Amino acid sequence: GQNIDQPTEMTATEGAIVQINCTYQTSGFNGLFWYQQHAGEAPTFLSYNVLDGLEEKGRFSSFLSRSKGYSYLLLKELQMKDSASYLCAVRGDYKLSFGAGTTVTVRA
Amino acid sequence: KAGVTQTPRYLIKTRGQQVTLSCSPISGHRSVSWYQQTPGQGLQFLFEYFSETQRNKGNFPGRFSGRQFSNSRSEMNVSTLELGDSALYLCASSRTRGASQNEQFFGPGTRLTVL
Repeated sequence: GQNIDQPTEMTATEGAIVQINCTYQTSGFNGLFWYQQHAGEAPTFLSYNVLDGLEEKGRFSSFLSRSKGYSYLLLKELQMKDSASYLCAVRGDYKLSFGAGTTVTVRA
Repeated sequence: KAGVTQTPRYLIKTRGQQVTLSCSPISGHRSVSWYQQTPGQGLQFLFEYFSETQRNKGNFPGRFSGRQFSNSRSEMNVSTLELGDSALYLCASSRTRGASQNEQFFGPGTRLTVL
């Protein structure tokens, strides 16, 4: 089975940086994903890590340590539109298991 | 390229009824996964289909079933509806080959309300 933990809520100021941590325990590992989901909308893909290290994509970066079962999503230069839920998901075989999500609120 | 489409977008049913939801994947995507999303449980994996075969199944009762057609379109069925089945049902498609094969694209979802 898979167990995925991430904080429930985080608040940050516009222009700041926020780091969302995700820890996981899995019997099989074929990659870790981060998704963004705005209220009432479907999740949209942000990043994918399968090897250890940092993947950077614009204002968003994602880090993975397989030996520690740990990942983080870094959001830089926060904008109001970044207020959303961020979902950490681990892929084992063909099954994708999601964490409960972290609600990020960006304040002016 | 059109995205993942799901029909209907909203559905209201009563306990005991059954429901069928439809999902059309992105053109060229052959893998379709279904998820149930509720405020209390988050996103829960239901099942995944590839080439008309169920590849994996989550921990849901047998009332939840699905199938995939030769054109990769997929349907899921819930029989004997219960109040707890009220949720957003999301479909996601992905390629099966190439560097982007692991990325899943989600449809807008079907909001099911059971009264």
